[in-house]
Amino acid sequence: GAGVSQSPSNKVTEKGKDVELRCDPISGHTALYWYRQSLGQGLEFLIYFQGNSAPDKSGLPSDRFSAERTGGSVSTLTIQRTQQEDSAVYLCASSLVQGALYEQFFGPGTRLTVL
Amino acid sequence: DQQVKQNSPSLSVQEGRISILNCDYTNSMFDYFLWYKKYPAEGPTFLISISSIKDKNEDGRFTVFLNKSAKHLSLHIVPSQPGDSAVYFCAASALGRGGSNYKLTFGKGTLLTVNP
Repeated sequence: GAGVSQSPSNKVTEKGKDVELRCDPISGHTALYWYRQSLGQGLEFLIYFQGNSAPDKSGLPSDRFSAERTGGSVSTLTIQRTQQEDSAVYLCASSLVQGALYEQFFGPGTRLTVL
Repeated sequence: DQQVKQNSPSLSVQEGRISILNCDYTNSMFDYFLWYKKYPAEGPTFLISISSIKDKNEDGRFTVFLNKSAKHLSLHIVPSQPGDSAVYFCAASALGRGGSNYKLTFGKGTLLTVNP
């Protein structure tokens, strides 16, 4: 079956512009996660969605970052007024249900470069 | 403050030998640990996990050892194969009694190269 897909695979933008990153989770997965991996760093948790519950936004680094998940499926991560420190690989993952015991399936990521 | 540390950025081993990847953690609330493997241009994939009630979990060529008193875990790959060459991430979660915690804290990863 289809895995987690993300688009675009690469995005180059100028400082100050807004960007939108898309994630299509595995069908039927109720939990969706966004992470980012900056150069030389581990994966950093950004935000978590579970069904119709309020998302856990505790990992978002600033109010320039926001995300939504429409219809319990596709998710969009938006970064406003991008800065050079936002350059990273943004990874989306989904799992069948909530909980670390349930395997998170990752997409290939979107590599964002802010010039 | 890094709660999960992988102090070796890279490791190189010969095919057929054992690969040992190490991970240390500082948060005593962590009770569930995972290893993920990542190839270039792909997302990480789950490899193996271990609960804090165990000290060893084995799956084929992969074994994870947990030393709670030392807050240390290691991943052993025997025998190592060239296809194992990838970045390996250690991750941890504080499940608690409810078992529903979803947050994973990742280390920076170790690049394993297995030479033919």
